[in-house]
Amino acid sequence: QKEVEQDPGPLSVPEGAIVSLNCTYSNSAFQYFMWYRQYSRKGPELLMYTYSSGNKEDGRFTAQVDKSSKYISLFIRDSQPSDSATYLCAMYQGAQKLVFGQGTRLTINP
Amino acid sequence: GAVVSQHPSWVICKSGTSVKIECRSLDFQATTMFWYRQFPKQSLMLMATSNEGSKATYEQGVEKDKFLINHASLTLSTLTVTSAHPEDSSFYICSAGHGYGYTFGSGTRLTVV
Repeated sequence: QKEVEQDPGPLSVPEGAIVSLNCTYSNSAFQYFMWYRQYSRKGPELLMYTYSSGNKEDGRFTAQVDKSSKYISLFIRDSQPSDSATYLCAMYQGAQKLVFGQGTRLTINP
Repeated sequence: GAVVSQHPSWVICKSGTSVKIECRSLDFQATTMFWYRQFPKQSLMLMATSNEGSKATYEQGVEKDKFLINHASLTLSTLTVTSAHPEDSSFYICSAGHGYGYTFGSGTRLTVV
């Protein structure tokens, strides 16, 4: 079993839709949770960074962490074609290396 | 803030030659940097952890003599692919940690012909 599971998609939705991306994990020691967006042939760009359970909002993006269920989510409101990318969840404990999900390929159709 | 610059963004080299990739933290100091390799439509695979002033720590299966890492200062780590072969062609990405997570460079696409 992988430490972090993420549905690779692909996921295709119409412009303006609410997008929900999710990851589950098995290591209860993970404390820090991140979402990255990666465009083709580019490095990952940090979107959201959260610590412990709860919600965090930044513009059209909301990150949720449920440590009791070992489940994290990223919601994108009013999705735009420019949001089309691969979204990677990542997490770590202490000062340890990142553990990534497989990434979900998202396409927003105009 | 927390910008990581990676250079070059793409490089083509002949089989048997060596290629050096640079990773710089522009506005923060990074005692630890990470080097990843990414294959098409796959997630990032950690190759090694680069530690300032000491030897890098390589992941299992990564040839340390082929992928030389040097972290001579708090803002610069380099990855040298030695005696490159076509199977080394890939997308290489560095990252550095700071108080708000990890920031990645823009990546280097290496093509060995």
